[in-house]
Amino acid sequence: QSVLTQPTSASGTPGQRVSISCSGSSSSIGSKYVNWYQQLPGTAPKLLMYKNNQRPSGVPDRFSGFKSGTSASLAISGLRSEDEADYYCAAWDDSLSGVLFGGGTKLTVL
Amino acid sequence: EVQLVQSGGGLVRPGGSLRLSCVASGFTFSPYEMNWVRQPPGKGLEWVSYISGGGHTIYYADSVKGRFIISRDNAKNSLFLQMNSLRAEDTAVYYCARFVSGVELDYWGQGTLVTVSS
Repeated sequence: QSVLTQPTSASGTPGQRVSISCSGSSSSIGSKYVNWYQQLPGTAPKLLMYKNNQRPSGVPDRFSGFKSGTSASLAISGLRSEDEADYYCAAWDDSLSGVLFGGGTKLTVL
Repeated sequence: EVQLVQSGGGLVRPGGSLRLSCVASGFTFSPYEMNWVRQPPGKGLEWVSYISGGGHTIYYADSVKGRFIISRDNAKNSLFLQMNSLRAEDTAVYYCARFVSGVELDYWGQGTLVTVSS
């Protein structure tokens, strides 16, 4: 069973830079684009980063995405209180024939 | 403005059925692939099902295969999820989401809660 592994939690103080990792396999991250979703409390997920490092319109350039081999990461610089949310990595997985989500990382702004 | 408006959730007994709907507006619905994603209370996101623009290619997560049926009516800009033989572990908020280029889920519905309990 394919899995995307994320840390369960991350934290930082306002203005800091934080990074969230996402580890997968050759059938997911290794051969497909990685996307990131932000879910604010009580709301639907929102696309934050697509095709590894592309920001949809309206997403600040404080957010950046990276991918190398079977791993990816999301970096947030100049951390702000409104960034406090759950973050999910995702990729299409050929063995699943579906979208594989990471377990999610809860980001706390201290 | 792209909108996906969902309806159809609620409380159902184990073994029962429920049909979710998702009505799209603000874009031409028929070319777009669509997905259902669910989120159990307090837990992470889980992909449920995929359907191609024409409805001819369909995939399901193993956890729902044989019990759930995804479908669409392009004339009515609508996506559906027929859920049968429901179990307690199907309790979740269900989201419909537009799928772009086979890569990203760029727009999501507001979510609808399905509770399976006796």
